[in-house]
Amino acid sequence: DTGVSQNPRHKITKRGQNVTFRCDPISEHNRLYWYRQTLGQGPEFLTYFQNEAQLEKSRLLSDRFSAERPKGSFSTLEIQRTEQGDSAMYLCASSFTGGTLYGYTFGSGTRLTVV
Amino acid sequence: AQTVTQSQPEMSVQEAETVTLSCTYDTSESDYYLFWYKQPPSRQMILVIRQEAYKQQNATENRFSVNFQKAAKSFSLKISDSQLGDAAMYFCAYRPHQGGSEKLVFGKGTKLTVNP
Repeated sequence: DTGVSQNPRHKITKRGQNVTFRCDPISEHNRLYWYRQTLGQGPEFLTYFQNEAQLEKSRLLSDRFSAERPKGSFSTLEIQRTEQGDSAMYLCASSFTGGTLYGYTFGSGTRLTVV
Repeated sequence: AQTVTQSQPEMSVQEAETVTLSCTYDTSESDYYLFWYKQPPSRQMILVIRQEAYKQQNATENRFSVNFQKAAKSFSLKISDSQLGDAAMYFCAYRPHQGGSEKLVFGKGTKLTVNP
């Protein structure tokens, strides 16, 4: 297993378009997390899944954002009607239950630029 | 709400010397976890060191150690014998022990430069 994989690495989109990112976690990990990191800031929590269940959502996750994890494997994060403020690095991480105690395994992120 | 503050946006150190990165946090919880993560340029974030708040002893991992001052809500990272590969953004993070939330709260980060 090569770690957490995120695709695409970079995405440039026009304002108002929809975008979807994919995250493939480490196969044995049952928890998957999404974070957003804007320039000069630390990562901000968006949501997390245990298997296929979405257990927590941040208030940052507006109605334009939706995340899924069908069958508890890969996850997708969709942003509808993108805005310039959505430009950021979107980080995915995975872990076993209780993984925050030992650290998540992060992916390299998807950098979104909204023009 | 819990907050994490890293007051040093940038730090630099000479190779082989020691540097300390500062972190303070605000919480009303008594039991929690603190972390330091490293994010090299264009690479994924990795865990450097972890501290459980109920433990008095400061955590150490090879050249990395922390100075955990619970009463002062301070959690600094010391890097000894700095190496060029230590150059990265360093993020301090907090998570409560109870409450079921898996959310890590990160500071804004400190950019560490290591000079040869």
